Amino acid sequence: QVQLVESGGGVVQPGRSLRLSCAASGFTFSSYGMHWVRQAPGKGLEWVAVIWYDGSNKYYADSVKGRFTISRDNSKNTLYLQMNSLRAEDTAVYYCARGPPYCGGDCYSGFDLWGRGTLVTVSS
Amino acid sequence: QSALTQPASVSGSPGQSITISCTGTSSDVGGYNYVSWYQQHPGKAPKLMIYDVSNRPSGVSNRFSGSKSGNTASLTISGLQAEDEADYYCSSYTSSSTPLVFGGGTKLTVL
Repeated sequence: QVQLVESGGGVVQPGRSLRLSCAASGFTFSSYGMHWVRQAPGKGLEWVAVIWYDGSNKYYADSVKGRFTISRDNSKNTLYLQMNSLRAEDTAVYYCARGPPYCGGDCYSGFDLWGRGTLVTVSS
Repeated sequence: QSALTQPASVSGSPGQSITISCTGTSSDVGGYNYVSWYQQHPGKAPKLMIYDVSNRPSGVSNRFSGSKSGNTASLTISGLQAEDEADYYCSSYTSSSTPLVFGGGTKLTVL
């Protein structure tokens, strides 16, 4: 069925790195812009990053710029988020979400498919 | 502080209608039609309810509708049902250095 499944979360010390993965199935992954969105415990949603369907463009929230890198492997139907120099404030459930097909500037036009999320806890 | 302002909570009785507002600026809500609304039940992933201000994805009840006036977008839920009780978030494209922002969320209680 059509789904996104995140993995790679866990407990990590401040300053260390972690890589999240999001496996897509049931749809043509290579046709869609993809996003990461996070939610700190008991808090609201925060957009993290986007990558266009062909990987040609990537954009980030100011809060993660220079520390996080979004990437994708369309041959493996997988989205990634490399997180470096992690901070306590990065503690959150991280969701991957699907944007529109073949999106460019309209990549922000609603995320119609979400994974269940993976929890990242940054703590010493 | 979130870039988009939503009321922390709203409530209504079954069968009634409620409206949740989402106030931004001319750099986000007022300047673009990339406003979306999401419903999130406790412990679950968000679900897209409205995109591009007023469009409903396939499968979403027509009791949900969206609109925009100036820098404020609104989500209206008519014929409230118990299962509508959830958190609701708006989002908008923005011309700032962070291209997408969410509102702080609104907790809907069905009395």
